[in-house]
Amino acid sequence: DAMVIQNPRYQVTQFGKPVTLSCSQTLNHNVMYWYQQKSSQAPKLLFHYYDKDFNNEADTPDNFQSRRPNTSFCFLDIRSPGLGDAAMYLCATARLAGEEQYFGPGTRLTVT
Amino acid sequence: SQQGEEDPQALSIQEGENATMNCSYKTSINNLQWYRQNSGRGLVHLILIRSNEREKHSGRLRVTLDTSKKSSSLLITASRAADTASYFCATERDFGNEKLTFGTGTRLTIIP
Repeated sequence: DAMVIQNPRYQVTQFGKPVTLSCSQTLNHNVMYWYQQKSSQAPKLLFHYYDKDFNNEADTPDNFQSRRPNTSFCFLDIRSPGLGDAAMYLCATARLAGEEQYFGPGTRLTVT
Repeated sequence: SQQGEEDPQALSIQEGENATMNCSYKTSINNLQWYRQNSGRGLVHLILIRSNEREKHSGRLRVTLDTSKKSSSLLITASRAADTASYFCATERDFGNEKLTFGTGTRLTIIP
């Protein structure tokens, strides 16, 4: 089945140690999104790609970077994780702007 | 800034009853979407309603949109234990905006 896959599902990293979360999709969608969701809160958009065009949200910390090497894959890099970066990270895709988004299961990041 | 707010924040009802959740937003929109999130999982798209539509149905779901009041409601009829989840509304502000802004969510608990 076509889907959005996130690996790993659970990630533990140490304070200040770089970590990379990955997302892949078999939907061939143009748009890919990364969200951060903390407990009992709404998903917060970090950035998104429309094809290769990168769009950063104004309040996304510089500590967060992203790469989209091809249509199928997108990565979230956290250069120096702090305790406040512990959260669920959700990847989503959409065929076109404004259409329904398809979410992966998320990666829960713990920072020790 | 957060676009949507949902009401109530939490709702508990008996299985078989109807559940109604409301969403208010601040600026004009192109479409409004509702998503469900089971605990610790990704979001699942439920229904999309465009700004020129007033009501939409999908199975046991009924969504209304009142653009003059900048509000939407999600009705789940004949609730089931499996409907227990958090429900989020999300708005696309402008056509082709590429991104959604999520509301604060309603935590729905169905009591068997």
